[in-house]
Amino acid sequence: EAQVTQNPRYLITVTGKKLTVTCSQNMNHEYMSWYRQDPGLGLRQIYYSMNVEVTDKGDVPEGYKVSRKEKRNFPLILESPSPNQTSLYFCASSLSLGLSNTIYFGEGSWLTVV
Amino acid sequence: AQKITQTQPGMFVQEKEAVTLDCTYDTSDPSYGLFWYKQPSSGEMIFLIYQGSYDQQNATEGRYSLNFQKARKSANLVISASQLGDSAMYFCAMRESGGSTLGRLYFGRGTQLTVWP
Repeated sequence: EAQVTQNPRYLITVTGKKLTVTCSQNMNHEYMSWYRQDPGLGLRQIYYSMNVEVTDKGDVPEGYKVSRKEKRNFPLILESPSPNQTSLYFCASSLSLGLSNTIYFGEGSWLTVV
Repeated sequence: AQKITQTQPGMFVQEKEAVTLDCTYDTSDPSYGLFWYKQPSSGEMIFLIYQGSYDQQNATEGRYSLNFQKARKSANLVISASQLGDSAMYFCAMRESGGSTLGRLYFGRGTQLTVWP
């Protein structure tokens, strides 16, 4: 089954404690990205990757890091989380940049930073 | 300027009636794609329908259709015969074909649809 898998799905953490949200896809997709969703703001892109070792900033990259060492994995790293990073996070992937390529979303990761 | 505008924070519709969710977009790219997603209270993002900027006909997927008016930069979602299970947040999104925004999906702020019996 084609899927994007994120972990953890739910996490409560404390300010400053480094955490990683993993994302893995089993579709051999080139393009992967991370979004955060906040009430009233819709989804905003954090980082994206067009292929292995190719990453770039989205609209709201501050406070986040990513890496793409393997095609299937695209972890999101919060080096020093702060309460304003409390959000719902989505990982997404698509085969390529083709406009009609289906974009698959993970189930979301609810992150609370206290 | 916002790329995607959804002007209806909330909409209510009676079961079995049709409902239109509004979406306008802003782009100078001649080639782009428009998407609608459904987000139930459980949080996952469910793809509903896609319309390409060069598609001649409006996209349809079952009870969903996209009313695409290119000159007005409008991409409204029409849900026919609403069901209780359609109650959810609906997002309009756009992907452009080139430039610095390559591959990025721009989302609107969403419309919360409530279907009542």
